[in-house]
Amino acid sequence: DAGVIQSPRHEVTEMGQEVTLRCKPISGHDYLFWYRQTMMRGLELLIYFNNNVPIDDSGMPEDRFSAKMPNASFSTLKIQPSEPRDSAVYFCAGYRGGTIYFGEGSWLTVV
Amino acid sequence: GENVEQHPSTLSVQEGDSAVIKCTYSDSASNYFPWYKQELGKGPQLIIDIRSNVGEKKDQRIAVTLNKTAKHFSLHITETQPEDSAVYFCAAMGGNEKLTFGTGTRLTIIP
Repeated sequence: DAGVIQSPRHEVTEMGQEVTLRCKPISGHDYLFWYRQTMMRGLELLIYFNNNVPIDDSGMPEDRFSAKMPNASFSTLKIQPSEPRDSAVYFCAGYRGGTIYFGEGSWLTVV
Repeated sequence: GENVEQHPSTLSVQEGDSAVIKCTYSDSASNYFPWYKQELGKGPQLIIDIRSNVGEKKDQRIAVTLNKTAKHFSLHITETQPEDSAVYFCAAMGGNEKLTFGTGTRLTIIP
């Protein structure tokens, strides 16, 4: 079990470009979470899925953000168009056995 | 929604001494309280957790206590070592599997 795998680990993109972050969750989990971490706001929950269905997206900052989970082994978080204030670390986390496990994060810089 | 407060924001401790980090939560329905350690450039790693039916849990040098009446829980690290230096986050989860995080404590162990 390799844990939660995220890609890319680092991305630098220009303002206005589309960004897609990917997550491969832990095998056998039934929840998947997307978090964003910044110095100013700490760890914020953006959206989470249960059995591939979005349950709560109230943390998604605006319509430029969208997330999908087409199957149990893959999820994406998309930002279109990206803005400099989207620069942050984005974490995917899986839930198994009553515990949440985080990936290593995708470090996004929008210039 | 849940609100988690964490103190102190920074803590410096002499190597070998103990460190204590405290958190309070607002939602009396919360029943799961994990602690995460985050090292530079990495995702949060679960180090210990406690559920609401238990008052204390210990794992080697790390212990967590929970007071449900007062709605607070604490992390205790004894015999601190340089590798304990990191940012520590407390969190609380209710019945909806949503984790709400504290703002983090930067722990520095002074050799």
